[in-house]
Amino acid sequence: GAGVSQSPSNKVTEKGKDVELRCDPISGHTALYWYRQSLGQGLEFLIYFQGNSAPDKSGLPSDRFSAERTGGSVSTLTIQRTQQEDSAVYLCASSLGPFQETQYFGPGTRLLVL
Amino acid sequence: TQLLEQSPQFLSIQEGENLTVYCNSSSVFSSLQWYRQEPGEGPVLLVTVVTGGEVKKLKRLTFQFGDARKDSSLHITAAQPGDTGLYLCAGANAGNMLTFGGGTRLMVKP
Repeated sequence: GAGVSQSPSNKVTEKGKDVELRCDPISGHTALYWYRQSLGQGLEFLIYFQGNSAPDKSGLPSDRFSAERTGGSVSTLTIQRTQQEDSAVYLCASSLGPFQETQYFGPGTRLLVL
Repeated sequence: TQLLEQSPQFLSIQEGENLTVYCNSSSVFSSLQWYRQEPGEGPVLLVTVVTGGEVKKLKRLTFQFGDARKDSSLHITAAQPGDTGLYLCAGANAGNMLTFGGGTRLMVKP
């Protein structure tokens, strides 16, 4: 079956603009995660959705970052008033169940803020 | 805050050499996962170790979880150019998200 997909694959934007990043998880996976990865570095947790529960937003770096998950499937990560330090690869992952289940990652969206 | 330190950060070796990557923490994890990430792709899970002292083998890769479940190692025997990539360890605990290490970038030259 299809894996996790993300769009766009690359996004170049100007400082101060808003961006939306999309994630389509694997069908049937109830858990969805967003991570940020700076160049060649480890992953920084951003936000976690599990079923219909309130999301765990503890990793969001500022109030410019928000995410939603509609209908328990597709998720959108929005960054408002982008800054140059927001430049990174944004990775989405999904798992069949909560946390300790195997996470399947999408290819990421490479964001460059000029 | 739970932290995972990976070492070395970068490793460049010749084909056929052996190498070991370390993942260390002062925190105890219920399980630890190793991922490999290739350029332009997301991380792919290689293995999950759960029991202290556990050793798992995946072809030329050997993974070990420390007895105290605070550290882990990945040993690659006779490295191949196809092993090139970013290796990430991630620790898990009940009720918490995965904590990722900073990664080890491996380059295997033919």
